Amino acid sequence: QQQVKQSPQSLIVQKGGISIINCAYENTAFDYFPWYQQFPGKGPALLIAIRPDVSEKKEGRFTISFNKSAKQFSLHIMDSQPGDSATYFCAASKAETSGSRLTFGEGTQLTVNP
Amino acid sequence: DAGVIQSPRHEVTEMGQEVTLRCKPISGHDYLFWYRQTMMRGLELLIYFNNNVPIDDSGMPEDRFSAKMPNASFSTLKIQPSEPRDSAVYFCASSPWTSGSDTQYFGPGTRLTVL
Repeated sequence: QQQVKQSPQSLIVQKGGISIINCAYENTAFDYFPWYQQFPGKGPALLIAIRPDVSEKKEGRFTISFNKSAKQFSLHIMDSQPGDSATYFCAASKAETSGSRLTFGEGTQLTVNP
Repeated sequence: DAGVIQSPRHEVTEMGQEVTLRCKPISGHDYLFWYRQTMMRGLELLIYFNNNVPIDDSGMPEDRFSAKMPNASFSTLKIQPSEPRDSAVYFCASSPWTSGSDTQYFGPGTRLTVL
């Protein structure tokens, strides 16, 4: 019940296109859903996060869409750029009882071709 | 702030040797996490601490792994004896977990190779 399932495993997009990565969770107690971005040789870094009281959050070209009833959330990258090429991890947590412990998805390797 | 600091950045050792990885969290952060990342298993949580106390070590693969946090500014992850299957990138992360902030800040990682 602690799993977070992420798809696709890898994604290739042309410059200017839209990248979409999906995640599904099982634990209805999760109340925090971040996305982390990881470049080669670096640690993951928080990109954007959402809480279940809203269905969408946008920061620049990055948008999280959240569907509580379906227990799914997704990351949309608009106008994808070669510099967005990285591995993206979705995650989930229930902060109240577990601090900031995160359950991570398997990761999606995004390649944006010029 | 310098961020989370890990050392060494790269470690190459031979099977059976003891390996110690070190982490200095961001000052003021109450939580510290140790992760292992491999191609096959992705990002796995090994153990985490709250105010220097281990909270959950269920992710530690076996007794060869141990972690300590003697004070708020230092933690170690030790593998003794090391095995080739321990080869991975090990990340340390810290979090302030103040109200409304669950962000974990990751260090640059230690790439461990066990021959």
